[in-house]
Amino acid sequence: DSGVTQTPKHLITATGQRVTLRCSPRSGDLSVYWYQQSLDQGLQFLIQYYNGEERAKGNILERFSAQQFPDLHSELNLSSLELGDSALYFCASSRLDSGASEQYFGPGTRLTVT
Amino acid sequence: TQLLEQSPQFLSIQEGENLTVYCNSSSVFSSLQWYRQEPGEGPVLLVTVVTGGEVKKLKRLTFQFGDARKDSSLHITAAQPGDTGLYLCVRYPGDNLFFGTGTRLTVIP
Repeated sequence: DSGVTQTPKHLITATGQRVTLRCSPRSGDLSVYWYQQSLDQGLQFLIQYYNGEERAKGNILERFSAQQFPDLHSELNLSSLELGDSALYFCASSRLDSGASEQYFGPGTRLTVT
Repeated sequence: TQLLEQSPQFLSIQEGENLTVYCNSSSVFSSLQWYRQEPGEGPVLLVTVVTGGEVKKLKRLTFQFGDARKDSSLHITAAQPGDTGLYLCVRYPGDNLFFGTGTRLTVIP
């Protein structure tokens, strides 16, 4: 158990819909990272927040957005969903704002868009 | 685009065999991490290598960072079924965290 929690574990929704994925970091960790893992794309970095502020941006689509709240939990919002958005979405946390610090990954949310 | 390629992409071996997987970059990186991801779980950090030529050992796993800091290797001695998983290398620095394509290892009992 990494100490990072993600909900829901599974999500099935239709194209065009909007969903919200939730992540609670390990106690004391200020950084939250979001990743997308699909079979043909590997693990893709989406976005990082540190202490409530956006710190780094990766390959995140404009249809996707995220935020980190004062209690440090984070949400990833995916809208106008397409079939290709089906993937595992991981959240990770670390104590520092540097990506070089060890990241602890949650169990992931499996999103299926039908 | 900075590429971080891992090879082989898939590897299936018998228990007790040795193996090496590779991580190669098109550019120099100052540090690199190896993660292992087991089916249905998130990746877990194995090691961080920082210095060119550095070698780190973690039980039966040996990690090496190339002298030119453009490549790294992971050698597993006497593989066990518990080693089965996806091995990912991650390069730093940079604001964009960059994962390799991964090597999916299956160790057959």
